[in-house]
Amino acid sequence: NAGVTQTPKFRILKIGQSMTLQCTQDMNHNYMYWYRQDPGMGLKLIYYSVGAGITDKGEVPNGYNVSRSTTEDFPLRLELAAPSQTSVYFCASSPIDRLSGNTIYFGEGSWLTVV
Amino acid sequence: EDKVVQSPLSLVVHEGDTVTLNCSYEVTNFRSLLWYKQEKKAPTFLFMLTSSGIEKKSGRLSSILDKKELFSILNITATQTGDSAIYLCAVAAQGAQKLVFGQGTRLTINP
Repeated sequence: NAGVTQTPKFRILKIGQSMTLQCTQDMNHNYMYWYRQDPGMGLKLIYYSVGAGITDKGEVPNGYNVSRSTTEDFPLRLELAAPSQTSVYFCASSPIDRLSGNTIYFGEGSWLTVV
Repeated sequence: EDKVVQSPLSLVVHEGDTVTLNCSYEVTNFRSLLWYKQEKKAPTFLFMLTSSGIEKKSGRLSSILDKKELFSILNITATQTGDSAIYLCAVAAQGAQKLVFGQGTRLTINP
């Protein structure tokens, strides 16, 4: 099983450039999330989606955009990259099941550096 | 605003020591608290706690929740170098399918 797949794994951007982090999951999960993790810190929620066509802001949405046109895909767009967006980005997904704690499945992470 | 605070932020011990990691939280309509271990890549699930006073145990790791005092601890006994990682605590609220994470505790086990 592929699970949650993120691309690219590493990317260096110049200030002001734009890019899209791709995320796809093959588990038919309704819920998908984008987190960022700064060095030595926990994960902060950027955006999340509870189903195709529905997205909502998390704790730190500024400078990012998302879309959810299909159940499988949840791309994260960075417009006008800034050094403050240097971070590790994790995409995650989960089913609707609220009973089991290990329902959050994480991708392997995307290391982004803005210079 | 929901908040999760972990302490200490960093801990260095010798192999064989026992460590206790702390997680306190403020969340509206608490549902569950989760512990994750993060090595070089994505967090991996350790425990989910929903009820006070019931210890969850897996090998040398154990965790317990106090819903009255709004905190949880993660204990690791007889630590090994492979336990070196960032340990993350996260809380889920009722009706919200998203987790709020603490800042993590970086644990280093020296041989």
